[in-house]
This record gives sequence, structure tokens and C-alpha cells, in this order.
Amino acid sequence: NAGVMQNPRHLVRRRGQEARLRCSPMKGHSHVYWYRQLPEEGLKFMVYLQKENIIDESGMPKERFSAEFPKEGPSILRIQQVVRGDSAAYFCASSQEAGVQETQYFGPGTRLLVL
Amino acid sequence: AQTVTQSQPEMSVQEAETVTLSCTYDTSESDYYLFWYKQPPSRQMILVIRQEAYKQQNATENRFSVNFQKAAKSFSLKISDSQLGDAAMYFCAYRSPDTGANSKLTFGKGITLSVRP
Repeated sequence: NAGVMQNPRHLVRRRGQEARLRCSPMKGHSHVYWYRQLPEEGLKFMVYLQKENIIDESGMPKERFSAEFPKEGPSILRIQQVVRGDSAAYFCASSQEAGVQETQYFGPGTRLLVL
Repeated sequence: AQTVTQSQPEMSVQEAETVTLSCTYDTSESDYYLFWYKQPPSRQMILVIRQEAYKQQNATENRFSVNFQKAAKSFSLKISDSQLGDAAMYFCAYRSPDTGANSKLTFGKGITLSVRP
């Protein structure tokens, strides 16, 4: 059973460009979480999605950031007009359910560098 | 809001010895879940161990065990017979038992563990 897949693993963008980060959850998982890790920091929650629904986006910046998890295909975290402060590692996690036995399994992350 | 505190930024242990990593948390909930994740240099996040707050018995996974003190809101990780491959950052995390909007993980800042050969 393949784990959580994220691509690209490394992404370099110039200021003002768009960044698209993809996450394919584990097979059978319908819950996806995005976290951001700034240098020397722990992971910070950004957004929680189920198929075609955003459940909690309380950690997402109000501007330039958006996320989706369509019925078919991977979850996408999109950052428009990137700035240097967006440079970070972005992790996706998935879980089978949101119930009491839930464990979130993480992907390898995407390292975004904004020049 | 829940908070997780890891006050030790770094620790070092001799190979084959035992080390304990500290974590405290703050919550008003009576039931919740606690986790330790390992992040090696590859930066992949790996689940080490989890503890349900309603269980009195401390969780164990091979060389890894926890000391869960619910009243003190303390959740430390003990690594026995430390190995070179244990060198990594370790993150403590909290999760509410709620489904939906409260199911996110709240992480501490992490602790860097080095293992001396």
C-alpha cells in the first residue's frame, strides 16, 4: 500500500509566480490535511479537506492561498504571487476517517524556495 | 486553544543508553490524543507512538515508550537502547477527539536528538 505521495519534492519559484503543490492520499483515505513548517519551527496546521469539501481552513492565510480536494485526483495547495516568506516545507497528511481511531500519515513534504 | 510545549531544543545521548524527551500541553478537554513524530534528516514525518488520554496504561512500541501524566499534562518519550538511526527531530503533537474542524494536529516546536557513537 503506497504511502502519501507529494509532488514536487522541491519547487523553486520567483517572487510573484504561482506555486502548486500536490498531494495524493493513501489508498482508501478521504481526509487530507496540509501543514507548513517554517525553518527551525514545528508544523503548523493550514487546512483540512474531505473530498470536494473544505472542513477547516482556520490556519490558511486569507490571501493568496487556496486548497482543493476534488472528487477525482490529488489535493492541490495553491499559492498565488509567492513571496519570500512563503519559503517553507509543506506537508500533507491523510487519514481514513476523522473518528476516534484516526491517525494522520504524512507525505515526504514539498520544499518551496522563493527567490 | 490547545498548546504544546517542548522546552528542550536539543538533547544528546550515548549510543545504547536511554534518553527521555519532555513535552507538556495545555487543554481544557478531558479526552484527546497525543503523538510523538520523528523527523530524520530526510524530513519525512514518521509516527513513533500514540497515546489515548482515556487509557491509563502508557503506550509502548518496541524501544519507545511514553510516560503519560494526565493530571500534570505531561507526555514524555523514552527511547531505550538508543541507536544512531534515532538521531532526528522529535515532535510532540496533540489532537482533539472531535471529528470535523477540531481534528487537526497541534505540534510543539520539536527537539533535536543527537546520538553519540
